[in-house]
Order: sequence, then structure tokens, then C-alpha cells
Amino acid sequence: QQPVQSPQAVILREGEDAVINCSSSKALYSVHWYRQKHGEAPVFLMILLKGGEQKGHDKISASFNEKKQQSSLYLTASQLSYSGTYFCGTGGNAGGTSYGKLTFGQGTILTVHP
Amino acid sequence: SQTIHQWPATLVQPVGSPLSLECTVEGTSNPNLYWYRQAAGRGLQLLFYSVGIGQISSEVPQNLSASRPQDRQFILSSKKLLLSDSGFYLCAWTRNRGTETQYFGPGTRLLVL
Repeated sequence: QQPVQSPQAVILREGEDAVINCSSSKALYSVHWYRQKHGEAPVFLMILLKGGEQKGHDKISASFNEKKQQSSLYLTASQLSYSGTYFCGTGGNAGGTSYGKLTFGQGTILTVHP
Repeated sequence: SQTIHQWPATLVQPVGSPLSLECTVEGTSNPNLYWYRQAAGRGLQLLFYSVGIGQISSEVPQNLSASRPQDRQFILSSKKLLLSDSGFYLCAWTRNRGTETQYFGPGTRLLVL
């Protein structure tokens, strides 16, 4: 089941903040966040595995709610380099039956202007 | 460190022609391997995945096939390309244990005319 991302697109000025959400109707084992620049491959940002988990580096962070049905990506004091399409990918279980497969959301286009 | 390669980077092919895209991973052994397709401005669609040599699982019925002749080599093929096969093809790998981060190759941009 494909997770739902919102919003579909965000336009910011440098220094502004943004939040991108990734939701599912069922509990998730893991959430992976990626950023893709135009014409390039997606680049891994971070993974969340535990309900209530929060992690981040620099000015990009993410959370995973207690029920493990929603994750949010927070971009603070945005920079021009943050522009791109952000995808969340939801994983299966650690039992091995999912074979590491991810189901990706439809993406959120983030544009940062000077 | 691990590296993933894809070639060619860009390909323009006529409808009805065959296709072969290659993906290789360096610096790891027994990875899980994945092929994705991304249509212009769209999300990532998983096409095939492989957990070992000769083991291929298809996620979406289509005009494409995949093979894994060696541990770190993954090939995407077609006997006759369709216009709808155009897109950005991405190969990814992950360690073969539980839930792990997927790392993507640079991709192949395919245009079928």
C-alpha cells in the first residue's frame, strides 16, 4: 500500500521552514526519507524504525509517531540546496519476508527561492 | 566503501528494438538488488527485486524482464521496446538482512521513439 505524502508541492524563500508528511492507514515497520534533485538519483536522508523516534542532522530532522502510521520531515532555515523532490519509502518487517522492499510515496516537490 | 554503477547513462531506442541495462555493485557481497522505473515527474515504481543469483521476483507485469547472472550484477532487458517503456531506470541495493537502507545508482534515462 502506497503511503500518502502531503503537501504535493511547497515553495519557500531561503530561511523559511517546511514540514512534509508521510501517512499510512496501517502501522509501518520503517520509514526512509530520500531527496532527489532533478535528473539525479534519490539520495538517502534518514531512516526511522521506532514509534516516537526523532532524529536529524544539521537542519533536517524527522519524526515517527507513536502509532507508527505517520512520519514527518522537518526542514528548518531552508537553503537553496534543499530544493528537490522528497520521497518517503515505507518498509516491511525485519523477519525477512519483505526482502528490504520499499513502497514510495508520490513525492513532495520543494522549491526554495533566494 | 560500496559503489553502484549503471550503464548506459542515456539511451535512445526505436520502438520494437531490444534493451539491456546493466547494474553492478562493488564493495559488498550478497546484496538485495532492485530495479525501479520513474516516469517524468512521477514517483518510483518497483519493477523487480533479487535476493540472490538467479532469483528474480517481478512486482509489475510488463514488457520487461530481469536477470542476475552474478552476485553483484543485475540486468534489465526487453525483447521489444514500447513507447511506454520510456523513463528513468534506477538500480538500488541493500544489505541482505532485514530492513536496510536502499542506495541508488546514478540511473539510466531511456527514451523510446
